[in-house]
Amino acid sequence: GEDVEQSLFLSVREGDSSVINCTYTDSSSTYLYWYKQEPGAGLQLLTYIFSNMDMKQDQRLTVLLNKKDKHLSLRIADTQTGDSAIYFCAESSPNTGNQFYFGTGTSLTVIP
Amino acid sequence: ETGVTQSPTHLIKTRGQQVTLRCSSQSGHNTVSWYQQALGQGPQFIFQYYREEENGRGNFPPRFSGLQFPNYSSELNVNALELDDSALYLCAGGVQGANTEAFFGQGTRLTVV
Repeated sequence: GEDVEQSLFLSVREGDSSVINCTYTDSSSTYLYWYKQEPGAGLQLLTYIFSNMDMKQDQRLTVLLNKKDKHLSLRIADTQTGDSAIYFCAESSPNTGNQFYFGTGTSLTVIP
Repeated sequence: ETGVTQSPTHLIKTRGQQVTLRCSSQSGHNTVSWYQQALGQGPQFIFQYYREEENGRGNFPPRFSGLQFPNYSSELNVNALELDDSALYLCAGGVQGANTEAFFGQGTRLTVV
């Protein structure tokens, strides 16, 4: 289950909310993730959601999952310049450990 | 700090050569996965090793091979390098069955000329 799509670019003003969207195709996906990648760095796990959940909130981050439409979103409240990075959604199937299928990435630019 | 380190950080090779990339994970990580991230793309799953055996493979040819060692280290070997193999190679250590416990290294940037 390897088709994960994202929009390529997003630009927001500091203090506004950012919403990054992702669609996936594999209905057997059990976990869905959001990773952050800063220039020259590896991947940092931001948050994840189980497929039997609709929403998860973690401080400034809110993840929404629409299983029917296979649509995942990440909302970042009060976006800061330090949030500028590339954001990847990813999915994995049950009991596969660290076998992830990543989207193409969304480059978030925060304008001061 | 993820506890996963990769070496070298940068590498330049000539087309047709062979390369070995290394990953060292933390104690308890019984799985390691390798990913290829071409410029401007998302990471692509190459393969996963669990208890020193290949345990899943993405859409990569056999010239991509790997090894996992009992000391939580692993290698990615690529034979007959092609220009399109130029990418950032990432490894992720984790625990089999614990899908949310994956830790990525900083990557090795491979350039094939």
